[in-house]
Amino acid sequence: EVQLLESGGGLVQPGGSLRLSCAVSGFTFSSYAMSWVRQAPGKGLEWVSIITDSGTKTYYADSVKGRFTISRDNSKNTLYLQLNSLRAEDTAVYFCAKRAVGTGSYHFDDWGQGTLVTVSS
Amino acid sequence: QTVVTQEPSFSVSPGETITLTCGLSSGSVSTSHSPSWYQQTPGQAPRTLIYSTNTRSSGVPDRFSGSIVANKAALTITGVQADDESDYYCMLYMGSGIRVFGGGTKLTVL
Repeated sequence: EVQLLESGGGLVQPGGSLRLSCAVSGFTFSSYAMSWVRQAPGKGLEWVSIITDSGTKTYYADSVKGRFTISRDNSKNTLYLQLNSLRAEDTAVYFCAKRAVGTGSYHFDDWGQGTLVTVSS
Repeated sequence: QTVVTQEPSFSVSPGETITLTCGLSSGSVSTSHSPSWYQQTPGQAPRTLIYSTNTRSSGVPDRFSGSIVANKAALTITGVQADDESDYYCMLYMGSGIRVFGGGTKLTVL
């Protein structure tokens, strides 16, 4: 069974930093690209970032580019998201998601339950 | 800036058939955007329904179907049931690794 378990969320002041983790099991982590998607309270889903299976390429939404960094440790089956220079509008539940494998498949086929990040003074 | 548009809300009676759409603020949606659809109930993680325009994810009932209609991605639910009441999000692949979600449609089953 595929499992994705996010952690690391919490309350942080504006301008602060936080590192989120997503520990996975049930599949060969090193074979899949992984992504972060967030959802502000009462709002819709927003794609944040994605990293290739090897970790050599990363991509970001404009809203977080230059502030957030996605990374992974394939030896630990763990995905990370480093959040810096946090703003109130970064307050959201952050989901990790597994990109489906296959040519032309750009969607996500498994999701974690999310971790809440609250940016407030 | 790319904006993906969806109907904010939709109300339907049980048994009816509805089509939710997913468009672009500028341009047409095509299969190259590899549209996917996700269902989410409050407090839960999203569930993948449809990918690559019209392929159902494992375990998704065949009353859910995807297509391209009039330059938009479309999610059709045939014979809506009460437990279909959820938020529905489309996602488009914009190239160069970038994905964009639509704003979501809140489906109410009367």
